[in-house]
Amino acid sequence: DAGVIQSPRHEVTEMGQEVTLRCKPISGHDYLFWYRQTMMRGLELLIYFNNNVPIDDSGMPEDRFSAKMPNASFSTLKIQPSEPRDSAVYFCASRTGTGWETEAFFGQGTRLTVV
Amino acid sequence: GEDVEQSLFLSVREGDSSVINCTYTDSSSTYLYWYKQEPGAGLQLLTYIFSNMDMKQDQRLTVLLNKKDKHLSLRIADTQTGDSAIYFCAESYTSGNTPLVFGKGTRLSVIA
Repeated sequence: DAGVIQSPRHEVTEMGQEVTLRCKPISGHDYLFWYRQTMMRGLELLIYFNNNVPIDDSGMPEDRFSAKMPNASFSTLKIQPSEPRDSAVYFCASRTGTGWETEAFFGQGTRLTVV
Repeated sequence: GEDVEQSLFLSVREGDSSVINCTYTDSSSTYLYWYKQEPGAGLQLLTYIFSNMDMKQDQRLTVLLNKKDKHLSLRIADTQTGDSAIYFCAESYTSGNTPLVFGKGTRLSVIA
């Protein structure tokens, strides 16, 4: 398996534009997580899914953020409209829900810059 | 609520030992983890410890857990320049069913 795949790796957009980040989890993993990393706040959990169903979205900053998981192999995080304070690195991670070795595998992240 | 605290920076000389510390607030934490993030990359699991253990050793890595003080540490023996990275402490309190809560990370700089 190629691991968790995120695209794009880098995104630069103008304030007010819509941004869509994409994630392909590891095949067979039934949990998917979206995190945001900034210097000020570290790693924040935005939302996570179990078997494609959103379980907890309390970390989503505001209504401008939305996430979907239409099937087991794909998820999107959308920001509309984007603002400069959304600039951060966004990580997707996946893991299985069985076994006590609950290692989460991370993608390489999408570095978003909103100007 | 859950909260994980780490110091933000640590600088050591090559060949010395590094000790990265972490405190957590959730006494029901069952699993505690150390992740490593190299520049421009995602996080990779380094090691983990189950809450009924006090210590775990894995080659150059030693994890110590003090449940009474809710303190976790990661010791890297014979630190190398390739160990320069951000190290994250994380906790979780059931097997596989809850997301990890991360600290802000400790940036380790190794001086040659």
